[in-house]
Amino acid sequence: EVQLMESGGGLVKPGGSLRLSCAASGFTFKFAWMSWVRQAPGKGLEWVGRIKRKTDGGTTDYAAPVEGRFTISRDDSKNTLYLQMNSLKTEDTAVYYCTSGYGSAWGQGALVTVSS
Amino acid sequence: DVVMTQSPLSLPVTLGQPASISCRSSQSLVYSDGDTYLYWFQQKPGQSPRRLIYKVSNGESGVPDRFSGSGSGTDFTLKISRVEAEDLGIYYCMQGTHWPPTFGQGTKLEIK
Repeated sequence: EVQLMESGGGLVKPGGSLRLSCAASGFTFKFAWMSWVRQAPGKGLEWVGRIKRKTDGGTTDYAAPVEGRFTISRDDSKNTLYLQMNSLKTEDTAVYYCTSGYGSAWGQGALVTVSS
Repeated sequence: DVVMTQSPLSLPVTLGQPASISCRSSQSLVYSDGDTYLYWFQQKPGQSPRRLIYKVSNGESGVPDRFSGSGSGTDFTLKISRVEAEDLGIYYCMQGTHWPPTFGQGTKLEIK
């Protein structure tokens, strides 16, 4: 059974940083393209970014609102995906989901609240 | 970015009756490989999204066959042949053809 489990959410002040982790199991993580998607309270879904598998270059792509502030990385030896979030803004407040491929599996989400 | 427009945004339904959600994209979703990367997701209250349909019309494993997807180019539809109580929630279409992937606004399926 595919499982994705996010951790690391919490309350952070504007301008602060936070790192989310996503532990994967039940599939061959190193072969998967992985992504982060977020959902602001009461709002719809927004793609944050993705990281390709190493055999496809391991490169990353980001949506414009987070480009230059967020960094996605992966540790295939630990079956773990990361999202490093810097220079956080109040509008980054959301539940952050990790997902495999184009949404074939989702974690339970991690709430990030950016507030003073 | 490609804009995905769903209609209706609210869909009151009677249990046992069919339901249909439309999704239109601002650009063609046909990729250079010939495939169309249009997906449908269901999100129940307090839960993570779940993918129901991939590449327009392919049902995910475990998804009831009352759910079906169709369409081409820029116009797509999700149909539920007979709505059951467990189907209530918000439905999103999403395109993966153009970067970044983008979602529709969501359609809330609720009891009439």
